[in-house]
Amino acid sequence: AQRVTQPEKLLSVFKGAPVELKCNYSYSGSPELFWYVQYSRQRLQLLLRHISRESIKGFTADLNKGETSFHLKKPFAQEEDSAMYYCALGYSSASKIIFGSGTRLSIRP
Amino acid sequence: EPEVTQTPSHQVTQMGQEVILRCVPISNHLYFYWYRQILGQKVEFLVSFYNNEISEKSEIFDDQFSVERPDGSNFTLKIRSTKLEDSAMYFCASSVMGVTNEKLFFGSGTQLSVL
Repeated sequence: AQRVTQPEKLLSVFKGAPVELKCNYSYSGSPELFWYVQYSRQRLQLLLRHISRESIKGFTADLNKGETSFHLKKPFAQEEDSAMYYCALGYSSASKIIFGSGTRLSIRP
Repeated sequence: EPEVTQTPSHQVTQMGQEVILRCVPISNHLYFYWYRQILGQKVEFLVSFYNNEISEKSEIFDDQFSVERPDGSNFTLKIRSTKLEDSAMYFCASSVMGVTNEKLFFGSGTQLSVL
């Protein structure tokens, strides 16, 4: 069955420290992976997707099919990065995406 | 940037009552979705809708749930007879094309409380 796993409910790091939010997925087909973010009192919004291979707000994520992972990384955390981050899996044959349980990132000054 | 709008922002209802949650997707989008998030739990897929019919639905989306696009702008989720466990934040989303090609634009949600 398709599944997205985010093992950390909460990740707390100091400003300027590197950040890595973990995501593993389970899907036998060709996956579409996304990171969505929800800042305090704002709506859920797309941060980045693997197909674009882009860096948004300093964040990058590399799809590792061998490890079935799509970890989100940023070399130097900023206070404004504090938010809830959701990894998501889209199916190539279905019109839906499923979300992981989310990781709350807290950046300490 | 255009936004998906949802009304009401909060809805309180008695168990067994019918509720209709309303959404206005972005005007040129073709795919519409409902998700829900029970407090402290993950965002769960309910249903996707394209070309005036359901494309995909989850096991949560049973006979108590229905969706409709009654006119060219609104997209509604109806829960026929609410249960306590239906209490959750309900998110509407839309995309130009299917999720595998385009990002989802989410509304700000309707908090449903069933008493």
